[in-house]
Amino acid sequence: DIQMTQSPSSLSASVGDRITITCRASQGIIDYLAWYQQKPGKAPKSLLFAASDLHSGVPSKFSGSGSGTEFTLTITNLQPEDFGTYYCQQYKTLPFTFGPGTTVDLK
Amino acid sequence: EVQLLESGGGLVQPGGSLTLSCAASGFTFYNFAMTWVRQGPGEGLQWVSTVSGGGDTTFYADSVRGRFTVSRDNSMNTVYLQMNSLRADDTGIYYCAKPYASGTYYSFNHWGQGTLVSVSS
Repeated sequence: DIQMTQSPSSLSASVGDRITITCRASQGIIDYLAWYQQKPGKAPKSLLFAASDLHSGVPSKFSGSGSGTEFTLTITNLQPEDFGTYYCQQYKTLPFTFGPGTTVDLK
Repeated sequence: EVQLLESGGGLVQPGGSLTLSCAASGFTFYNFAMTWVRQGPGEGLQWVSTVSGGGDTTFYADSVRGRFTVSRDNSMNTVYLQMNSLRADDTGIYYCAKPYASGTYYSFNHWGQGTLVSVSS
């Protein structure tokens, strides 16, 4: 199975900040990488696919990059609605696997 | 508008069975593989099972293979997850998810609200 790791596991940020989350795969996944946002008690929300493509309706403040084994999610101008937990997921190979999550909270 | 509505969760004793349903609307259901993802209490997301659009191909996580069965009824736009020999570590919220394109190897662009499964004596 492909193992996914994320760093940091948590971060505190202020409104208006720019943050970056890193996701690493244990083997190359080309760009078969997705990012999701989840808020407490809610279902995940899909943000990006193919490492850098935004899903419809997702604001451009979210951006992704990377290929192979290392990927990043960047969020600019952090707003209160952006706080929550972010997960990466590889879908190149079954079983699909998720990173452990990065929790973004208010400093 | 795509909608996914899970149902069937509940409290069940270890060794018991439960069948989850996910009713889909707003897209051409038979064109898309459908997936179940679960989340244990305070834990991250775990892929559980995927069924192809036609229902003829299924995939399972090792932790559930042999105990869970995924199926779909394309006439009812519904996907099912039959869960047998349930264990305490099967406890969690079960989400159904739709990929952003037809085929198996795509990530998800829509999720249901989830249904809670609790396995406890």
